Amino acid sequence: KAGVTQTPRYLIKTRGQQVTLSCSPISGHRSVSWYQQTPGQGLQFLFEYFSETQRNKGNFPGRFSGRQFSNSRSEMNVSTLELGDSALYLCASSLAGINEQFFGPGTRLTVL
Amino acid sequence: GENVEQHPSTLSVQEGDSAVIKCTYSDSASNYFPWYKQELGKRPQLIIDIRSNVGEKKDQRIAVTLNKTAKHFSLHITETQPEDSAVYFCAASKNTGNQFYFGTGTSLTVIP
Repeated sequence: KAGVTQTPRYLIKTRGQQVTLSCSPISGHRSVSWYQQTPGQGLQFLFEYFSETQRNKGNFPGRFSGRQFSNSRSEMNVSTLELGDSALYLCASSLAGINEQFFGPGTRLTVL
Repeated sequence: GENVEQHPSTLSVQEGDSAVIKCTYSDSASNYFPWYKQELGKRPQLIIDIRSNVGEKKDQRIAVTLNKTAKHFSLHITETQPEDSAVYFCAASKNTGNQFYFGTGTSLTVIP
């Protein structure tokens, strides 16, 4: 079974721009969660989507948004980028319910 | 919300020795506790998990213990090997979706 994939793997943007990241979960997994990983803050939860609905949301500003499609693929969008948004963005998928999450390789976002 | 604390932040052991990493959580409703291993430049990989109805779980050289009363859980690695060198993260989750609260990570170095 193919693992979680994320595109693009690397991204460089400038302040004020917006960015869209994509995540394809493991086949059959309906839950997709997004995390921001930085050296100072560790892994912080952004949001979780299940069956095209946002099921949980972390404490991030409204500039961070996401969605999930009927095939369970998910995208996250960050608008009006700030320098502090530079991070590794990880998505993780799992089966319905509370199960182990499997992470993708991440998208490394650099904001200049 | 949930707060997960992890100690120590760095740990060095001699090859063959044991390593113990400890985490505490604040929300008594948390009932799922996974541990992830992240090697440099790679995605977090689930290595073991435990649910709140179990006190201990083992998988070869790795074990996790959970004390619900004290709200802490620990990762034990025996007979450490150089390939165990990585950053280890604990996490806690409630039965309300796949929103994981992560500890800040422990950088484990196994000295040959």
